[in-house]
Amino acid sequence: AQSVSQHNHHVILSEAASLELGCNYSYGGTVNLFWYVQYPGQHLQLLLKYFSGDPLVKGIKGFEAEFIKSKFSFNLRKPSVQWSDTAEYFCAVNTGNQFYFGTGTSLTVIP
Amino acid sequence: SQTIHQWPATLVQPVGSPLSLECTVEGTSNPNLYWYRQAAGRGLQLLFYSVGIGQISSEVPQNLSASRPQDRQFILSSKKLLLSDSGFYLCAWSRDRVLYNEQFFGPGTRLTVL
Repeated sequence: AQSVSQHNHHVILSEAASLELGCNYSYGGTVNLFWYVQYPGQHLQLLLKYFSGDPLVKGIKGFEAEFIKSKFSFNLRKPSVQWSDTAEYFCAVNTGNQFYFGTGTSLTVIP
Repeated sequence: SQTIHQWPATLVQPVGSPLSLECTVEGTSNPNLYWYRQAAGRGLQLLFYSVGIGQISSEVPQNLSASRPQDRQFILSSKKLLLSDSGFYLCAWSRDRVLYNEQFFGPGTRLTVL
């Protein structure tokens, strides 16, 4: 079965620190890749997505992610985090009609 | 534009009582529909998905069932709730049979079983 692994369960950073959240998946075929974010008390919303083309994708709020096919990875990055980035982040993989989610990474940014 | 609704937003039910959570999508036709449960530290667990009316696939054995009586309506049910059914339930939709697909999530229902 396909799986998505997020190795960082809880990350604590100070404002202005750089962020990288890891995401690896197990599926050998064509995939679409996503990062979703859930701010406290809010809906799950799309942060960025990769379908094809440039493996470096840019999303909202200064986030970006790089698809490395050989490593089955889609890591999320942000050069300088803000307190407002405190949220839970989910990596997801789509194959056909199926979507598979990682267990999530809780990010706490300290002012 | 498309919107997805879930209700109720919160629900407190006693053990052994029935459950019915509803999800509806507007602005699209023949969507794929999904029910997830979100538990702390466990991410999103896919419970059911549906590619059409009356077509339900279950991902994990459990005390819950799902139905799709209309194209854009997806219902999550239980005949007798267990304490372990407490959690945050999310409905989502995606387009059917498209190369580049993504999911759109509803606001969720917080269920507490006492």
